[in-house]
Amino acid sequence: GQNIDQPTEMTATEGAIVQINCTYQTSGFNGLFWYQQHAGEAPTFLSYNVLDGLEEKGRFSSFLSRSKGYSYLLLKELQMKDSASYLCAPSDSNYQLIWGAGTKLIIKP
Amino acid sequence: IAGITQAPTSQILAAGRRMTLRCTQDMRHNAMYWYRQDLGLGLRLIHYSNTAGTTGKGEVPDGYSVSRANTDDFPLTLASAVPSQTSVYFCASSATSGSVNEQFFGPGTRLTVL
Repeated sequence: GQNIDQPTEMTATEGAIVQINCTYQTSGFNGLFWYQQHAGEAPTFLSYNVLDGLEEKGRFSSFLSRSKGYSYLLLKELQMKDSASYLCAPSDSNYQLIWGAGTKLIIKP
Repeated sequence: IAGITQAPTSQILAAGRRMTLRCTQDMRHNAMYWYRQDLGLGLRLIHYSNTAGTTGKGEVPDGYSVSRANTDDFPLTLASAVPSQTSVYFCASSATSGSVNEQFFGPGTRLTVL
């Protein structure tokens, strides 16, 4: 079957660094997406990884290990506006996105 | 219009009533999707359309139907609403379906079935 695991909730301090992990099992694999979703809003695209390694985009970086079925999202210099849910979504053999339940990130001053 | 719009924004519906959720995109995307999002669960795919004139069933299609008469519109119909269909519904689109593409989401419709 297809399964996505990510922590339900994490808390971090403003200005700090946080890493949100995601492990996945899918029928085939065509890359992995990370989306951000603020409360009451729609998900918005953050990053996409298809090859192993780290992709850096400003304060956000995403890592992928295909052999381990593992990805993480790294957020640096946390700001209050980063309080949101972060959704891990691998793409399966049919290019359908399989969505995790999301990690709710709480930023404290 | 810029991107994807959904209507209504929210709705309270009596059980047994018929309801159509509307979705329109102006990006000329071929693929469109309907998801429901419930607390503690990931987005679950209800139905999808790879191109105008075609539709397919997702993970949770029962009780829902869709049509894709043209590229821009992808309405979702609940023929006879039940309380378990209380959820937030998101419409999304992507340029194509046969390769990896970012999905763009509408603002969502919050539906309560009593």
